[in-house]
Amino acid sequence: AQSVTQLGSHVSVSEGALVLLRCNYSSSVPPYLFWYVQYPNQGLQLLLKYTTGATLVKGINGFEAEFKKSETSFHLTKPSAHMSDAAEYFCAVSAYSSASKIIFGSGTRLSIRP
Amino acid sequence: SAVISQKPSRDICQRGTSLTIQCQVDSQVTMMFWYRQQPGQSLTLIATANQGSEATYESGFVIDKFPISRPNLTFSTLTVSNMSPEDSSIYLCSVEGGRGRWNTEAFFGQGTRLTVV
Repeated sequence: AQSVTQLGSHVSVSEGALVLLRCNYSSSVPPYLFWYVQYPNQGLQLLLKYTTGATLVKGINGFEAEFKKSETSFHLTKPSAHMSDAAEYFCAVSAYSSASKIIFGSGTRLSIRP
Repeated sequence: SAVISQKPSRDICQRGTSLTIQCQVDSQVTMMFWYRQQPGQSLTLIATANQGSEATYESGFVIDKFPISRPNLTFSTLTVSNMSPEDSSIYLCSVEGGRGRWNTEAFFGQGTRLTVV
């Protein structure tokens, strides 16, 4: 079985500051890991995903995440926050790459202070 | 990538009534998925809809409450039946896209924001 825990339902950072959104997972098999972003009144958009290979994954809009098996973590980072990054972010895990088996975390709302 | 259109984008409905949500994809897909996102919560998979067969429902969801149609490879509907305020949620349609085992990902529609009064 798979599960995801996102630490912090709301994170607020200043524009230009580092963004760090935390995600820990539990999986009985090697996981596939995803970060999705949801802008207000929109659907979800894939930011990045880890399936195999390099543990540091780069996504869109300057985001990246590192798969750390020893820590069962997949934290999302961005060196410099932009106002347009304000959104809801979901970490997700799957035992397969199939969309039907994706388990989503509770989400973290990112706010950017001017 | 896949472009997904959902209708309606939002609706306010009276309790006891039903609402049918439409999902149109710009390409043929084998599986379509319906999720529910309750206020302040994450996404929960309701069911998987395959063309030509009955939908497969996840634990806690039943066909009588959430009947699904899948008449062809680009279209699906989800009906929320006999609505109560607890059904107020965002309902999202999703499809699996990409090629190859390592390149698949889920694409989502913009969602239908349902409020039941």
